[in-house]
Amino acid sequence: EAGVAQSPRYKIIEKRQSVAFWCNPISGHATLYWYQQILGQGPKLLIQFQNNGVVDDSQLPKDRFSAERLKGVDSTLKIQPAKLEDSAVYLCASSLAWTSGSETQYFGPGTRLLVL
Amino acid sequence: QQQVKQSPQSLIVQKGGIPIINCAYENTAFDYFPWYQQFPGKGPALLIAIRPDVSEKKEGRFTISFNKSAKQFSLHIMDSQPGDSATYFCAARRQGAQKLVFGQGTRLTINP
Repeated sequence: EAGVAQSPRYKIIEKRQSVAFWCNPISGHATLYWYQQILGQGPKLLIQFQNNGVVDDSQLPKDRFSAERLKGVDSTLKIQPAKLEDSAVYLCASSLAWTSGSETQYFGPGTRLLVL
Repeated sequence: QQQVKQSPQSLIVQKGGIPIINCAYENTAFDYFPWYQQFPGKGPALLIAIRPDVSEKKEGRFTISFNKSAKQFSLHIMDSQPGDSATYFCAARRQGAQKLVFGQGTRLTINP
């Protein structure tokens, strides 16, 4: 079974530029998550999708971050404009639907973003 | 109330020793407590998880001890090996939700 795929793996941009990350979850996983992991800290949830609907985006800085999951499969996370403090690893994870009874979240390898 | 506090930040143990990583929480609505293992350049991977209706769960060399009254849980690694060197995160999930709240992480080094 293929895991969660993310691209790019690394990205270096200057502040005020924009950047986009892509995630392809495990086939059949209805729930998709984007986490931000700052160096030396645990992952922090930015947004959670159930199919193509948003379940939780309470910690997403909506003035600069946006995310979509148009067909309930792939997802993109965008930052515009980027700030220095956005330097982090952006992790995508997926899981089966809540009703499945399975609780495990599977993480991708992440995209490491450096904002200069 | 949504926080999970993890300690220590870093830990060095000799091969064969038993590292112990501790986590504490405040929110009594949490009902699922997983531990994730993360190697450099990789995403976190589920190691073992426990629900509050049991006090201990063991899978291979990994054991979770859970103290519901103290709102604390810990990870023990028996017969630790250099390959166990990684960052470990505890997490918690509120009943009725899928969102995980992570601890700050513990960087574990097992010396040969």
